[in-house]
Amino acid sequence: QVQLQESGPKLVKPSETLSLTCSVFNASLSRGSYYWSWIRHHPGKGLEWIGYVFFSGHTYYNPSLKNRVTMSIDTSKRQFSLKLAAVTVADTAIYFCARGTNWFDPWGQGILVTVS
Amino acid sequence: EIVLTQSPVTLSLSPGETATLSCKASQSISASFLAWYQHKPGQPPRLLIYGASNRATGIPDRFSGSGSETDFTLTISSLEPEDFAVYYCQQYGGSFMYTFGQGTKVEI
Repeated sequence: QVQLQESGPKLVKPSETLSLTCSVFNASLSRGSYYWSWIRHHPGKGLEWIGYVFFSGHTYYNPSLKNRVTMSIDTSKRQFSLKLAAVTVADTAIYFCARGTNWFDPWGQGILVTVS
Repeated sequence: EIVLTQSPVTLSLSPGETATLSCKASQSISASFLAWYQHKPGQPPRLLIYGASNRATGIPDRFSGSGSETDFTLTISSLEPEDFAVYYCQQYGGSFMYTFGQGTKVEI
């Protein structure tokens, strides 16, 4: 079955750029109608959708974050990535990648990124 | 932006009881674009219901979803110990955005 796995630094300094990669297994990113997405969960709070990248490279970001977010996709490597610039402690969260249609399934296991 | 408001914030129940969770949208949405997830600490959210009323693969039939337009409900009948978790509703569509409700915690 399709599996996703996040990777990247778990500690980022304030004002720097958070960079994460999601590797996708048992699926092609170069076709289909999926929105390859990033979602985060702040400790003790709810889920926040960050944005998605389509196989064509088209992106759409949450307006609350769009000034700081960049997403990209590498279909040959079966990976997509997230960059979040100028991070603050408020960006400390568990970051999930997920395959989106009208809903998200499956999800990666998540990676806790601490800004400190 | 479509806002999803879940209630109650916390639901305190015992195993064997029925949980009824509400998700209200700030404007009418297509049921096709409404989903429910279960989230436990240390795990990714698990898709339970999609299209408002369709159970995802492997989800027990004690989980059921219903609703339309602005009012949606997740019902968990005969709660099992493993059902105590946080539940989120989610919608897709308004301006190509996804939004989540703030969650309902089902606790013992």
